[in-house]
Amino acid sequence: EDKVVQSPLSLVVHEGDTVTLNCSYEVTNFRSLLWYKQEKKAPTFLFMLTSSGIEKKSGRLSSILDKKELFSILNITATQTGDSAIYLCAVDDTNAGKSTFGDGTTLTVKP
Amino acid sequence: DTGVSQDPRHKITKRGQNVTFRCDPISEHNRLYWYRQTLGQGPEFLTYFQNEAQLEKSRLLSDRFSAERPKGSFSTLEIQRTEQGDSAMYLCASSPTTGGFEKLFFGSGTQLSVL
Repeated sequence: EDKVVQSPLSLVVHEGDTVTLNCSYEVTNFRSLLWYKQEKKAPTFLFMLTSSGIEKKSGRLSSILDKKELFSILNITATQTGDSAIYLCAVDDTNAGKSTFGDGTTLTVKP
Repeated sequence: DTGVSQDPRHKITKRGQNVTFRCDPISEHNRLYWYRQTLGQGPEFLTYFQNEAQLEKSRLLSDRFSAERPKGSFSTLEIQRTEQGDSAMYLCASSPTTGGFEKLFFGSGTQLSVL
Protein backbone atom coordinates (compact mmCIF):
# COMPACT_ATOMS: atom_id res chain seq x y z
CA GLU A 1 0.00 0.00 0.00
CA ASP A 2 1.27 3.46 -0.89
CA LYS A 3 2.49 5.54 2.05
CA VAL A 4 3.48 9.18 2.56
CA VAL A 5 5.18 10.52 5.70
CA GLN A 6 5.66 14.23 6.26
CA SER A 7 7.87 15.98 8.77
CA PRO A 8 7.81 17.96 10.90
CA LEU A 9 4.14 17.69 11.89
CA SER A 10 4.15 21.34 12.87
CA LEU A 11 6.48 24.29 12.69
CA VAL A 12 6.40 27.80 14.13
CA VAL A 13 8.64 30.46 12.62
CA HIS A 14 8.86 34.24 12.39
CA GLU A 15 8.34 36.32 9.31
CA GLY A 16 11.41 36.34 7.12
CA ASP A 17 12.60 32.89 8.16
CA THR A 18 13.25 30.12 5.63
CA VAL A 19 11.59 26.76 6.15
CA THR A 20 12.06 23.29 4.70
CA LEU A 21 9.25 20.77 4.75
CA ASN A 22 9.94 17.09 4.17
CA CYS A 23 8.01 14.35 2.45
CA SER A 24 9.10 10.72 2.17
CA TYR A 25 7.10 8.12 0.33
CA GLU A 26 6.67 4.48 -0.58
CA VAL A 27 4.82 3.73 -3.77
CA THR A 28 4.71 0.66 -5.97
CA ASN A 29 4.80 2.40 -9.35
CA PHE A 30 5.66 6.06 -8.95
CA ARG A 31 3.98 8.45 -11.34
CA SER A 32 4.16 11.86 -9.64
CA LEU A 33 4.45 13.68 -6.32
CA LEU A 34 2.29 16.71 -5.62
CA TRP A 35 2.31 19.46 -3.02
CA TYR A 36 -0.86 21.25 -1.89
CA LYS A 37 -1.52 24.15 0.49
CA GLN A 38 -4.58 23.98 2.75
CA GLU A 39 -5.46 27.26 4.41
CA LYS A 40 -9.02 26.85 5.56
CA LYS A 41 -10.90 24.12 3.79
CA ALA A 42 -9.94 23.36 0.20
CA PRO A 43 -6.38 22.24 -0.56
CA THR A 44 -4.93 24.15 -3.50
CA PHE A 45 -2.27 22.85 -5.85
CA LEU A 46 1.32 24.07 -5.58
CA PHE A 47 3.65 21.76 -7.51
CA MET A 48 3.76 18.49 -9.41
CA LEU A 49 7.11 16.67 -9.60
CA THR A 50 7.81 13.73 -11.83
CA SER A 51 11.55 13.79 -12.48
CA SER A 52 14.43 13.63 -10.05
CA GLY A 53 16.64 16.61 -9.48
CA ILE A 54 14.56 19.18 -11.34
CA GLU A 55 13.53 22.06 -9.12
CA LYS A 56 10.09 23.55 -9.50
CA LYS A 57 9.85 27.17 -8.44
CA SER A 58 7.04 29.65 -7.90
CA GLY A 59 7.99 32.91 -6.27
CA ARG A 60 9.33 32.19 -2.79
CA LEU A 61 8.34 28.53 -2.95
CA SER A 62 10.40 25.78 -4.50
CA SER A 63 10.38 22.01 -4.47
CA ILE A 64 12.61 19.18 -5.57
CA LEU A 65 12.26 15.44 -5.84
CA ASP A 66 14.79 12.66 -5.19
CA LYS A 67 13.41 9.45 -6.72
CA LYS A 68 16.39 7.38 -5.61
CA GLU A 69 15.99 8.27 -1.93
CA LEU A 70 12.18 8.53 -2.21
CA PHE A 71 11.68 11.99 -0.80
CA SER A 72 10.82 15.55 -1.68
CA ILE A 73 11.31 18.87 0.04
CA LEU A 74 9.34 22.07 -0.12
CA ASN A 75 11.25 25.26 0.64
CA ILE A 76 9.70 28.58 1.51
CA THR A 77 12.03 31.57 1.74
CA ALA A 78 11.30 34.93 3.40
CA THR A 79 8.15 33.55 5.00
CA GLN A 80 5.09 35.76 5.44
CA THR A 81 2.08 35.40 7.73
CA GLY A 82 0.04 34.46 4.66
CA ASP A 83 2.15 31.32 4.32
CA SER A 84 0.53 29.96 7.50
CA ALA A 85 -1.29 26.82 6.39
CA ILE A 86 -1.16 23.06 6.28
CA TYR A 87 1.14 21.79 3.53
CA LEU A 88 0.14 18.43 2.13
CA CYS A 89 2.26 16.02 0.11
CA ALA A 90 0.66 13.36 -2.08
CA VAL A 91 1.88 10.63 -4.42
CA ASP A 92 0.25 9.13 -7.47
CA ASP A 93 0.72 5.47 -8.36
CA THR A 94 0.65 4.56 -12.05
CA ASN A 95 -1.63 1.61 -11.32
CA ALA A 96 -4.04 3.53 -9.13
CA GLY A 97 -6.39 6.31 -10.02
CA LYS A 98 -6.01 8.16 -6.76
CA SER A 99 -3.55 10.32 -4.83
CA THR A 100 -2.31 9.12 -1.42
CA PHE A 101 -1.79 11.98 1.02
CA GLY A 102 0.46 12.47 4.00
CA ASP A 103 -0.86 13.99 7.22
CA GLY A 104 0.59 17.38 6.40
CA THR A 105 2.88 19.91 8.07
CA THR A 106 1.15 22.76 9.88
CA LEU A 107 3.19 25.92 9.38
CA THR A 108 2.57 28.96 11.56
CA VAL A 109 4.36 32.18 10.65
CA LYS A 110 4.35 34.80 13.40
CA PRO A 111 4.77 38.51 12.64
CA ASP B 1 -14.56 28.21 -14.26
CA THR B 2 -16.61 28.37 -11.07
CA GLY B 3 -14.58 25.75 -9.26
CA VAL B 4 -15.76 22.66 -7.43
CA SER B 5 -18.80 23.30 -5.27
CA GLN B 6 -20.10 21.18 -2.42
CA ASP B 7 -23.40 21.30 -0.61
CA PRO B 8 -24.13 21.58 2.26
CA ARG B 9 -21.13 23.25 3.88
CA HIS B 10 -22.08 21.92 7.29
CA LYS B 11 -24.30 19.04 8.40
CA ILE B 12 -25.22 18.10 11.95
CA THR B 13 -27.10 14.86 12.37
CA LYS B 14 -28.00 12.35 15.02
CA ARG B 15 -26.47 8.91 15.12
CA GLY B 16 -28.43 6.49 13.00
CA GLN B 17 -29.71 9.04 10.51
CA ASN B 18 -28.89 9.01 6.80
CA VAL B 19 -27.12 11.95 5.17
CA THR B 20 -26.42 12.86 1.55
CA PHE B 21 -23.84 15.29 0.21
CA ARG B 22 -23.60 16.76 -3.26
CA CYS B 23 -20.57 17.74 -5.34
CA ASP B 24 -20.57 19.71 -8.60
CA PRO B 25 -17.17 19.38 -10.30
CA ILE B 26 -15.58 21.75 -12.77
CA SER B 27 -17.66 21.24 -15.89
CA GLU B 28 -15.02 19.89 -18.27
CA HIS B 29 -13.44 17.55 -15.71
CA ASN B 30 -14.26 13.89 -16.19
CA ARG B 31 -12.72 12.55 -12.99
CA LEU B 32 -14.37 13.10 -9.63
CA TYR B 33 -13.01 12.03 -6.25
CA TRP B 34 -14.32 11.81 -2.71
CA TYR B 35 -11.92 12.11 0.22
CA ARG B 36 -12.49 12.26 3.97
CA GLN B 37 -10.33 14.32 6.33
CA THR B 38 -10.26 14.41 10.12
CA LEU B 39 -8.37 16.88 12.29
CA GLY B 40 -4.64 16.37 12.13
CA GLN B 41 -4.85 13.89 9.27
CA GLY B 42 -4.41 14.21 5.54
CA PRO B 43 -7.25 13.52 3.09
CA GLU B 44 -8.14 9.82 2.98
CA PHE B 45 -9.35 8.39 -0.34
CA LEU B 46 -12.91 7.09 -0.45
CA THR B 47 -13.84 6.59 -4.10
CA TYR B 48 -13.50 8.03 -7.58
CA PHE B 49 -15.38 8.20 -10.87
CA GLN B 50 -14.30 8.47 -14.47
CA ASN B 51 -17.36 10.04 -16.06
CA GLU B 52 -20.29 8.02 -14.64
CA ALA B 53 -18.26 4.87 -13.90
CA GLN B 54 -17.13 4.28 -10.33
CA LEU B 55 -13.63 2.90 -10.88
CA GLU B 56 -12.36 2.40 -7.36
CA LYS B 57 -13.72 2.29 -3.85
CA SER B 58 -11.54 2.20 -0.75
CA ARG B 59 -11.69 -1.09 1.10
CA LEU B 60 -11.85 0.98 4.26
CA LEU B 61 -15.28 2.15 3.16
CA SER B 62 -18.11 0.26 4.79
CA ASP B 63 -21.30 -0.76 3.04
CA ARG B 64 -23.02 2.19 4.70
CA PHE B 65 -21.30 4.50 2.21
CA SER B 66 -22.47 4.79 -1.37
CA ALA B 67 -21.65 7.24 -4.12
CA GLU B 68 -23.18 7.94 -7.49
CA ARG B 69 -22.42 10.13 -10.46
CA PRO B 70 -25.37 9.91 -12.81
CA LYS B 71 -24.68 11.18 -16.33
CA GLY B 72 -21.10 11.92 -15.38
CA SER B 73 -21.87 15.34 -13.99
CA PHE B 74 -22.55 15.99 -10.30
CA SER B 75 -22.00 13.32 -7.66
CA THR B 76 -23.69 12.40 -4.40
CA LEU B 77 -22.22 10.64 -1.39
CA GLU B 78 -24.68 8.98 0.97
CA ILE B 79 -23.92 7.68 4.44
CA GLN B 80 -26.55 5.43 5.94
CA ARG B 81 -27.04 4.83 9.67
CA THR B 82 -24.41 7.40 10.60
CA GLU B 83 -22.01 6.71 13.48
CA GLN B 84 -20.00 9.15 15.56
CA GLY B 85 -16.85 7.93 13.83
CA ASP B 86 -18.21 9.29 10.55
CA SER B 87 -17.71 12.85 11.83
CA ALA B 88 -15.21 14.41 9.43
CA MET B 89 -14.73 16.83 6.56
CA TYR B 90 -15.85 15.24 3.29
CA LEU B 91 -13.89 16.70 0.39
CA CYS B 92 -14.74 16.40 -3.26
CA ALA B 93 -12.18 16.99 -5.99
CA SER B 94 -12.18 16.87 -9.76
CA SER B 95 -9.51 16.65 -12.42
CA PRO B 96 -9.16 16.47 -16.15
CA THR B 97 -7.40 13.44 -17.60
CA THR B 98 -4.70 14.84 -19.82
CA GLY B 99 -1.66 12.72 -20.48
CA GLY B 100 -1.99 10.85 -17.22
CA PHE B 101 -0.55 13.57 -14.98
CA GLU B 102 -3.25 15.24 -12.97
CA LYS B 103 -3.63 17.73 -10.20
CA LEU B 104 -6.78 17.81 -8.11
CA PHE B 105 -9.13 20.77 -7.76
CA PHE B 106 -10.83 20.57 -4.39
CA GLY B 107 -14.13 21.91 -3.16
CA SER B 108 -14.44 23.53 0.26
CA GLY B 109 -15.87 20.37 1.77
CA THR B 110 -18.87 19.34 3.82
CA GLN B 111 -18.23 19.24 7.57
CA LEU B 112 -20.26 16.41 9.10
CA SER B 113 -20.90 16.22 12.82
CA VAL B 114 -22.68 13.12 14.14
CA LEU B 115 -24.11 13.57 17.63
